[in-house]
Amino acid sequence: EAQVTQNPRYLITVTGKKLTVTCSQNMNHEYMSWYRQDPGLGLRQIYYSMNVEVTDKGDVPEGYKVSRKEKRNFPLILESPSPNQTSLYFCASTDRANGYTFGSGTRLTVV
Amino acid sequence: ILNVEQSPQSLHVQEGDSTNFTCSFPSSNFYALHWYRWETAKSPEALFVMTLNGDEKKKGRISATLNTKEGYSYLYIKGSQPEDSATYLCAPRRAGNTGKLIFGQGTTLQVKP
Repeated sequence: EAQVTQNPRYLITVTGKKLTVTCSQNMNHEYMSWYRQDPGLGLRQIYYSMNVEVTDKGDVPEGYKVSRKEKRNFPLILESPSPNQTSLYFCASTDRANGYTFGSGTRLTVV
Repeated sequence: ILNVEQSPQSLHVQEGDSTNFTCSFPSSNFYALHWYRWETAKSPEALFVMTLNGDEKKKGRISATLNTKEGYSYLYIKGSQPEDSATYLCAPRRAGNTGKLIFGQGTTLQVKP
């Protein structure tokens, strides 16, 4: 089944403790992206990647890092999480000719 | 930043009603317009990707039209059913912007049985 797999689904962590949210797709898509969803603000792009070793900032990149060492994986790294990064995160991929396929989401709470 | 507006923000209809909502976006440098359905506790699911002015796409009881010259798209649902209850997002993509989508805030549809 074609899918984007994100882990974990839920995470509660403390301020400053580094964490990684993993994202993997099995569709051989070149383009992958991370979004966060906050009430009243809609989906906002954090980072995206056009291919292996090619990444760039989206609209809200502060406090996040990404890497794309392999085509299928695009992890999101929070080096020092803060409470304002409490959000619902989605990873998505596309071949750019069709719509995005989204992962099931990661609900992150930073206390 | 691309300004994407969706209206109405929310909509309550009875089962069997037909409904439609609007997505407005700047028409300059247009490349494609995406529609997604987002059910509660799930992730957004692609409905349509539209590129040509005058495009019309259909999937079951849901259809969409596109006007790239004036910068709007309509989504229609014929004979709404409770399972159509969801938030419908539109997202334009500009030419040459590497595939980035800018999402509107969505129209939340509630269909009462």
